[in-house]
Amino acid sequence: DAKTTQPPSMDCAEGRAANLPCNHSTISGNEYVYWYRQIHSQGPQYIIHGLKNNETNEMASLIITEDRKSSTLILPHATLRDTAVYYCIVRVLGAGGTSYGKLTFGQGTILTVHP
Amino acid sequence: DGGITQSPKYLFRKEGQNVTLSCEQNLNHDAMYWYRQDPGQGLRLIYYSQIVNDFQKGDIAEGYSVSREKKESFPLTVTSAQKNPTAFYLCASTPGGQGGSSGNTIYFGEGSWLTVV
Repeated sequence: DAKTTQPPSMDCAEGRAANLPCNHSTISGNEYVYWYRQIHSQGPQYIIHGLKNNETNEMASLIITEDRKSSTLILPHATLRDTAVYYCIVRVLGAGGTSYGKLTFGQGTILTVHP
Repeated sequence: DGGITQSPKYLFRKEGQNVTLSCEQNLNHDAMYWYRQDPGQGLRLIYYSQIVNDFQKGDIAEGYSVSREKKESFPLTVTSAQKNPTAFYLCASTPGGQGGSSGNTIYFGEGSWLTVV
């Protein structure tokens, strides 16, 4: 399984951009990078995903390096409600190119947004 | 509304008892997963199932059992062999299929808290 490495914690001032890095140096060519976040005692919430191009949605932007070995999740204007654990995962593909298979989460990054 | 329903939200187990956590999805997803989360820790994979009547062990399967008799249901039994069962348990599902795009989004339930008393 391709593994991810994230810093254990980060701080960000309210209203500023939060940039959360993730290393996935063993990623395969057909594996996607997904970002989720989890607020205490709730199920993780989907944020964004991408393959090799940068992606943007209403929640965040995802920047993937050209060699695909790392990525950065950007929350452009962080609010106090963005305080959560952020998980970067790589989607493992099963046999035959299907999208089945293990889903492995790392420890994630605890993002704390302060006033 | 489509989604994943876990029950119960809170469960207390006595020493030596087996308990079963329910996970039901009405998303017509092929793959389902069970994770365990301890306070301040990430998610650890217990079991996963890619198709009905088939399932595989994850990273911490000892002391747990599952079944997948129906596509929409993937119950997890925490047996007495699990020595430290107190944790937050999360069920998830994915549509499966070829390639990527939005069809691979992972959906999670709201979780179940299990406490040994």
